[in-house]
Amino acid sequence: SAVISQKPSRDICQRGTSLTIQCQVDSQVTMMFWYRQQPGQSLTLIATANQGSEATYESGFVIDKFPISRPNLTFSTLTVSNMSPEDSSIYLCSGARDRDHEQYFGPGTRLTVT
Amino acid sequence: AQSVTQLGSHVSVSEGALVLLRCNYSSSVPPYLFWYVQYPNQGLQLLLKYTTGATLVKGINGFEAEFKKSETSFHLTKPSAHMSDAAEYFCASRRSNKLIFGAGTRLAVHP
Repeated sequence: SAVISQKPSRDICQRGTSLTIQCQVDSQVTMMFWYRQQPGQSLTLIATANQGSEATYESGFVIDKFPISRPNLTFSTLTVSNMSPEDSSIYLCSGARDRDHEQYFGPGTRLTVT
Repeated sequence: AQSVTQLGSHVSVSEGALVLLRCNYSSSVPPYLFWYVQYPNQGLQLLLKYTTGATLVKGINGFEAEFKKSETSFHLTKPSAHMSDAAEYFCASRRSNKLIFGAGTRLAVHP
């Protein structure tokens, strides 16, 4: 399996500011993903992070709000821009390898926007 | 569109009782199916997965699930619940390398 770490583990931010979340994988994965888990709800895919190119966003998510980078196979960042209280959620990073059929998840970043 | 439905947002069982968490999927072709567990303030941990082959899949912590194509179901079971099983459980299917999650079932285990 892959071990995935995220920083920060939690943060409290003021509205209008931006937060960048880092995701590090301990082994090479072919795919990395970012999910949002709103309070008491399930996970929703934000985007697929593509190495060296623009991320592929799901319906309802846009690059201006959630810019994503993936400069190499083992590292990715998600920025939550111009935050509002509605952005208060857990943001999870995941990785997958071609030979597996499963995704490995990081511990998540718990974001509260005041 | 592919979707995953988990029946019962909350399930409560007594310690030692059978755990049954229900999951149904909709897909034109049999998908890859997964069960994940999320303990409070933690990320997701894979319990088990079905890809191909044997339809009864055994996972960690004594959990197992059976893929039933005729019923489009992938229910999760455990013969005897432990207090430590209290958590949120998510069923998911994979489509084009993306996971589609059910709404989740919160399992409570009481003495």
